[in-house]
Amino acid sequence: DARVTQTPRHKVTEMGQEVTMRCQPILGHNTVFWYRQTMMQGLELLAYFRNRAPLDDSGMPKDRFSAEMPDATLATLKIQPSEPRDSAVYFCASGLAQGRSDEQFFGPGTRLTVL
Amino acid sequence: AQSVTQPDIHITVSEGASLELRCNYSYGATPYLFWYVQSPGQGLQLLLKYFSGDTLVQGIKGFEAEFKRSQSSFNLRKPSVHWSDAAEYFCVMNRDDKIIFGKGTRLHILP
Repeated sequence: DARVTQTPRHKVTEMGQEVTMRCQPILGHNTVFWYRQTMMQGLELLAYFRNRAPLDDSGMPKDRFSAEMPDATLATLKIQPSEPRDSAVYFCASGLAQGRSDEQFFGPGTRLTVL
Repeated sequence: AQSVTQPDIHITVSEGASLELRCNYSYGATPYLFWYVQSPGQGLQLLLKYFSGDTLVQGIKGFEAEFKRSQSSFNLRKPSVHWSDAAEYFCVMNRDDKIIFGKGTRLHILP
């Protein structure tokens, strides 16, 4: 049963620390999405990649957030330095774009708490 | 401007009653439209999608949605809800690699 995996599932850290969240997309998928979900803002698209190249990262604060795909099986989202307002659940999703729109398969999320 | 509007933040229905969740989109052409469901503490799961063709689409868990171009709507329906349908539902539009989520509608089920 293919699914998107995310690590860690939970992370508690102190303000100013670097946080790295990892995502393993479904094998064969060529599109990866990063989302942030909070009670106040709801679900926000931070960035997404196709064939490992960033297609849209306009939703991501550039000063402290960075997203990369070192290879086709790993996507990372880094926050440096972290701030309490970054506390949220971060979801990764993957999809297969074949000339049509992407159906996204979501991972279970990383719940981040910044103290 | 492209947008997706879910006018109802919360909806409460009794178990066994019918359900309709509203979604309106703003786009110059026909977009790709999706409905996702998020159960508490879970990621999102695709319920159904519309690309073209038959405007009434069937999804999982007994859900269906109807695309109405004249009303720019893509409302989600279910004839009889179950307590397990309590969740948050998101309408999503995707066109030209631009993905837009609605704010979501939280569905509450009364026993």
